[in-house]
Amino acid sequence: AQSVAQPEDQVNVAEGNPLTVKCTYSVSGNPYLFWYVQYPNRGLQFLLKYITGDNLVKGSYGFEAEFNKSQTSFHLKKPSALVSDSALYFCAVRGNSGNTPLVFGKGTRLSVIA
Amino acid sequence: EAEVAQSPRYKITEKSQAVAFWCDPISGHATLYWYRQILGQGPELLVQFQDESVVDDSQLPKDRFSAERLKGVDSTLKIQPAELGDSAMYLCASSPTTLAGGLDEQFFGPGTRLTVL
Repeated sequence: AQSVAQPEDQVNVAEGNPLTVKCTYSVSGNPYLFWYVQYPNRGLQFLLKYITGDNLVKGSYGFEAEFNKSQTSFHLKKPSALVSDSALYFCAVRGNSGNTPLVFGKGTRLSVIA
Repeated sequence: EAEVAQSPRYKITEKSQAVAFWCDPISGHATLYWYRQILGQGPELLVQFQDESVVDDSQLPKDRFSAERLKGVDSTLKIQPAELGDSAMYLCASSPTTLAGGLDEQFFGPGTRLTVL
């Protein structure tokens, strides 16, 4: 069965500093990996995805993520955090065989402090 | 920008009552998903439709939950009877993929927050 682990419930970072939100996964075969962000009282918004190719994926709002197959990780990063980045971030994975569902992690709350 | 619409946004009901949620996906999106998100957790898939057909309802508690997408456009999720443990956010999402296991990102609606008293 596929699964996602987001080891940190909360990440605090000062505005202007780099941020990292961690994600590790378990899946049979090659993974398809996604990051979504959820703002209060709003649905999830897509940030970026890794399907194949370059291990460094660039997405919306200056975010990027690096796929590391040996460490089964897909950490979300941003070089310089903004207060407006404060939100709940979800990593998700699906397998590449058949109709496997998208499985989400429990989420990491990012707080960017001015 | 096209969005997924959901109604109502909030619903308070007493246990044993029936509730229904409605979702209108982005126009042209073939795949529609219903998720349940319990506070402090990530969304969990309840049911996936491809056009009007159910593709995956393995996690749908079929004794009390039902979902339909009769014309392959909008969808309704029903709970009857509601239980205290059903209190959660119910999210609808759609994607343009026409193939099972597609790689397209999903577009989420704002959700319906259900409180069962």
